[in-house]
Amino acid sequence: ETGVTQSPTHLIKTRGQQVTLRCSSQSGHNTVSWYQQALGQGPQFIFQYYREEENGRGNFPPRFSGLQFPNYSSELNVNALELDDSALYLCASSLRFSQRLEQYFGPGTRLTVT
Amino acid sequence: GENVEQHPSTLSVQEGDSAVIKCTYSDSASNYFPWYKQELGKGSQLIIDIRSNVGEKKDQRIAVTLNKTAKHFSLHITETQPEDSAVYFCAASGHNQGGKLIFGQGTELSVKP
Repeated sequence: ETGVTQSPTHLIKTRGQQVTLRCSSQSGHNTVSWYQQALGQGPQFIFQYYREEENGRGNFPPRFSGLQFPNYSSELNVNALELDDSALYLCASSLRFSQRLEQYFGPGTRLTVT
Repeated sequence: GENVEQHPSTLSVQEGDSAVIKCTYSDSASNYFPWYKQELGKGSQLIIDIRSNVGEKKDQRIAVTLNKTAKHFSLHITETQPEDSAVYFCAASGHNQGGKLIFGQGTELSVKP
């Protein structure tokens, strides 16, 4: 059973640029959730993807968007980067519509916006 | 709105002592409460969880208790070891919340040898 993987590990971007982060879900899982974790804070829910569609969204602007692919992997895209977007971005995979509520996290992508 | 408060923000104990981290949640519809251990370079590891139909769950040196009436849940680590040093996060969720996890602010636990 493979765990959740994310790429890249670290990324430095300039304000106004766009970024794409990638996540491969744990084998057997069909749902991917994305979280933003600012320094010294708990993770904040961005959105969740199930069956290639957004299924729930937190308090994040539309410039945060995502995709889920048929193999359940996912991308997080952020347009028009702002300095406050600097954070650790975590993805978590889970098995929706089962009795299993557990979400398993990847190691994260550290994004720095300068 | 949905909120999870976690205390303390930092906790320092001597090796062998017990550590307790407490969380309160606001949404009475929450029915699932996981705890994560976050270490630099290792990501966030699910260490224990509890559902609302259970009051207590134990796994070796780790236990979690839940008081639904008071909307409190706590993590208890006994016989702490230096490798328990990490940041611990509590979270709350439920099926009717789409699986969204609402996290506490984290507790940095330091276990001194």
